[in-house]
Amino acid sequence: GQQLNQSPQSMFIQEGEDVSMNCTSSSIFNTWLWYKQDPGEGPVLLIALYKAGELTSNGRLTAQFGITRKDSFLNISASIPSDVGIYFCAGHLLNNNDMRFGAGTRLTVKP
Amino acid sequence: KAGVTQTPRYLIKTRGQQVTLSCSPISGHRSVSWYQQTPGQGLQFLFEYFSETQRNKGNFPGRFSGRQFSNSRSEMNVSTLELGDSALYLCASSWGPRGGSGNTIYFGEGSWLTVV
Repeated sequence: GQQLNQSPQSMFIQEGEDVSMNCTSSSIFNTWLWYKQDPGEGPVLLIALYKAGELTSNGRLTAQFGITRKDSFLNISASIPSDVGIYFCAGHLLNNNDMRFGAGTRLTVKP
Repeated sequence: KAGVTQTPRYLIKTRGQQVTLSCSPISGHRSVSWYQQTPGQGLQFLFEYFSETQRNKGNFPGRFSGRQFSNSRSEMNVSTLELGDSALYLCASSWGPRGGSGNTIYFGEGSWLTVV
């Protein structure tokens, strides 16, 4: 089930602005994943993080695996209209072989 | 390499009927997991199959069932459909067990089920 606290729930921004969203939990994770889902489509993997402190970029996207292993953030720089969609995080619980998902952040970009 | 393939993409069923959805994982992936996604509830885990065995199950009634074949393809079945079963059903695959360190899951495009 969803036991990751993802915020914000939604964002309305102007094209060109930077965006930041994060996921937190009281549990410890060994993997963090960030996905983007367009309306009517399946989620697409954006960035995978496997080590505490890891900072990984994918084009204008940057994500970090928190040092405490209980959180992760995703930044999008210089947003464009096609960034519109729902972004959600997923984490692999340490020593549990199980996953948790965030509820998603709905991003709207105004041209 | 082909991604996760789900069929059918869209279907409409009547209350009381049953439905079977199919998922073909990425070649070489042995784990297939299923999720129900609705606007109100978000992504809810249904179950996971790994090497033809159900490894994990979410909190769904027994009307929801699944299986995995020797080629790792998976099917899920919902019997006695209810209006509340209308949702996007997503399948995801990974090389190792879901949630295992480094085992990134990849989603299919989903099957949209509408129950009328």
